[in-house]
Amino acid sequence: AQSVAQPEDQVNVAEGNPLTVKCTYSVSGNPYLFWYVQYPNRGLQFLLKYITGDNLVKGSYGFEAEFNKSQTSFHLKKPSALVSDSALYFCAVRDTGGRNTPLVFGKGTRLSVIA
Amino acid sequence: IAGITQAPTSQILAAGRRMTLRCTQDMRHNAMYWYRQDLGLGLRLIHYSNTAGTTGKGEVPDGYSVSRANTDDFPLTLASAVPSQTSVYFCASSETGGRADTQYFGPGTRLTVL
Repeated sequence: AQSVAQPEDQVNVAEGNPLTVKCTYSVSGNPYLFWYVQYPNRGLQFLLKYITGDNLVKGSYGFEAEFNKSQTSFHLKKPSALVSDSALYFCAVRDTGGRNTPLVFGKGTRLSVIA
Repeated sequence: IAGITQAPTSQILAAGRRMTLRCTQDMRHNAMYWYRQDLGLGLRLIHYSNTAGTTGKGEVPDGYSVSRANTDDFPLTLASAVPSQTSVYFCASSETGGRADTQYFGPGTRLTVL
């Protein structure tokens, strides 16, 4: 069965510093990987996804993520955090194998960027 | 372009009552989804529809039903609400339902069952 783990419930970072939000996954086949962001009282907004090809994926708002197959990870990164990046971040995985496998979300990581 | 709209924004409901959450998309996406979001549990799939006229069960379908009479609308019905169905409900859509598809989310409905 597919699963995704976000090992940190909360990440605190100072404005201007680099940020990393961690994600690891487990699938039987190959993964399709996604990152979403949720601002307070809003729905989820798509940031980026990895399907195939280049392991470094660039997305919205200056975010990027690196697919690492050997470590089964897809960590979200940004070189310089902004206060406005403070939000709840979700990693999600969908297995390319099996039948009718759904998109499975992690439990979320709350990012707090401090001025 | 509205994208996905959901109604109501929030609702307080007595246990045992019937409730339908509405979801409409204007992107002509084939696939639609219903999720619930609970603190510490992330999002869990309730039901999905890969195309109009078809529906399928997700991870937590019990107590919920859906229909997909046309491409744009995907209502979620709670036949007899229970307090454990207190949650924030998100509707989403994707272009084809394919595994690489990006899902786009509505603003959510906050439901409280007393």
